[in-house]
Amino acid sequence: ETGVTQSPTHLIKTRGQQVTLRCSSQSGHNTVSWYQQALGQGPQFIFQYYREEENGRGNFPPRFSGLQFPNYSSELNVNALELDDSALYLCASSFYIPAGTDTQYFGPGTRLTVL
Amino acid sequence: AQSVTQLDSHVSVSEGTPVLLRCNYSSSYSPSLFWYVQHPNKGLQLLLKYTSAATLVKGINGFEAEFKKSETSFHLTKPSAHMSDAAEYFCVVTPGLNYGGSQGNLIFGKGTKLSVKP
Repeated sequence: ETGVTQSPTHLIKTRGQQVTLRCSSQSGHNTVSWYQQALGQGPQFIFQYYREEENGRGNFPPRFSGLQFPNYSSELNVNALELDDSALYLCASSFYIPAGTDTQYFGPGTRLTVL
Repeated sequence: AQSVTQLDSHVSVSEGTPVLLRCNYSSSYSPSLFWYVQHPNKGLQLLLKYTSAATLVKGINGFEAEFKKSETSFHLTKPSAHMSDAAEYFCVVTPGLNYGGSQGNLIFGKGTKLSVKP
C-alpha cells in the first residue's frame, strides 16, 4: 500500500509569484484535503476535493485554488504569494462515504518559504 | 460549531513516567475525535480515533484516550514515556459521520509539545 506523497519537499518563492504543490493520494482513497500549518500552529483546513470538484472550503481567499485529477491526485495553487503564505502545506487523503469522510492520512508536507 | 482546546502547550516528563496530554472539545454534533503526532520536520501520523464506539480508545505505540462526554474531554495517556515519544501532539475534532457538511474540515488544536528527559 502506497502512502500519501507530496512534491516538492521544499520551495522558495518571492512575493507576487505563483506556486503549485502536488499530492498523490494513498491507494484506495478518492478524496484529498489540503491544510496550511504556520510555524508553531496547528494545521488549518484549506479545502477538500472529491470527484474532481471542491467539496468544502475553509477561510482562505480565492487565490488559493486546487484541482483533482481522475487518478485522485491533486494540486494546490496559490497566486500572488504573500509573506504570510510561508508555511508547511499538508495534503491528506481519505475515502469519501455519503455520511462523512473516513480517517485522513497525511503526507510529509511541502515547506513553502516566501521572501 | 466545533472547536478543540489543548490545555498545555508544553509537557515535560521523564522517561518511564506516565504521559497525560489534555484536550477539551466543543461540538454541536456527536463528534469524531482524533489524536495525531508530528515529529520534527515530518507529516502527521494518526495515533488513535474515537467515532462513537467504545469510549476508551487504544492507539499505536501504547497510547490511549478516553472520551468523556460529561466533561467534553478526550485526554491522551501513556503509562510509560519513551524517548521516541518526544514530538508535537494534536487533538482534532470533526463533525460526526452523520453531519452532511464539509467532511474534510478537521479542526486542530494548537498542539502540545511533549519533551522526554532521560
